[in-house]
Amino acid sequence: AQSVTQPDIHITVSEGASLELRCNYSYGATPYLFWYVQSPGQGLQLLLKYFSGDTLVQGIKGFEAEFKRSQSSFNLRKPSVHWSDAAEYFCAVGAKNYGQNFVFGPGTRLSVLP
Amino acid sequence: DAGVIQSPRHEVTEMGQEVTLRCKPISGHDYLFWYRQTMMRGLELLIYFNNNVPIDDSGMPEDRFSAKMPNASFSTLKIQPSEPRDSAVYFCASSARGYGYTFGSGTRLTVV
Repeated sequence: AQSVTQPDIHITVSEGASLELRCNYSYGATPYLFWYVQSPGQGLQLLLKYFSGDTLVQGIKGFEAEFKRSQSSFNLRKPSVHWSDAAEYFCAVGAKNYGQNFVFGPGTRLSVLP
Repeated sequence: DAGVIQSPRHEVTEMGQEVTLRCKPISGHDYLFWYRQTMMRGLELLIYFNNNVPIDDSGMPEDRFSAKMPNASFSTLKIQPSEPRDSAVYFCASSARGYGYTFGSGTRLTVV
């Protein structure tokens, strides 16, 4: 069965600092991988996705993520964090041959210090 | 496109009452999902539909929960009777095969 772990429950960074949020998945086949962001009181917004091809994918709001098959990871990065990036971030995995039932990680809450 | 539209945004009801949550997916999306989000359990998939047909309802917690999708542009999630432990944010999401979900803004349900 698919599973997703996000080892960091809460991360605090200073504005302007770099950011890396970790995501590890478990799945035997080639996965679809996603990162979503949720601001307080809002729904989840898709930041970026990986299906195939280039393992470094660019997303919205200056985020990028790198798929590393050998490490079963899909970490999210941003070179310089803005105060507006404070939110909850969810990694999700889906299988190409498993319909559309994606599994979400538990989320990482990002706080940004001024 | 207006995105996934959910109504109501907030619902406060008394225990034992029937609650109906509504969702309009993005036109052309053939998958629709209902999720529940709580602090304790995170995001839980309740049920999902493909081409209006329920595919997996194993996440529906009890028989008090039911979901329908009478056509490609509308779905409902009903709780009858409601209980305080049903209080949560309920999200609807839609997708086309091979792409990520688009989520609605959610319905915050409070059962008192």
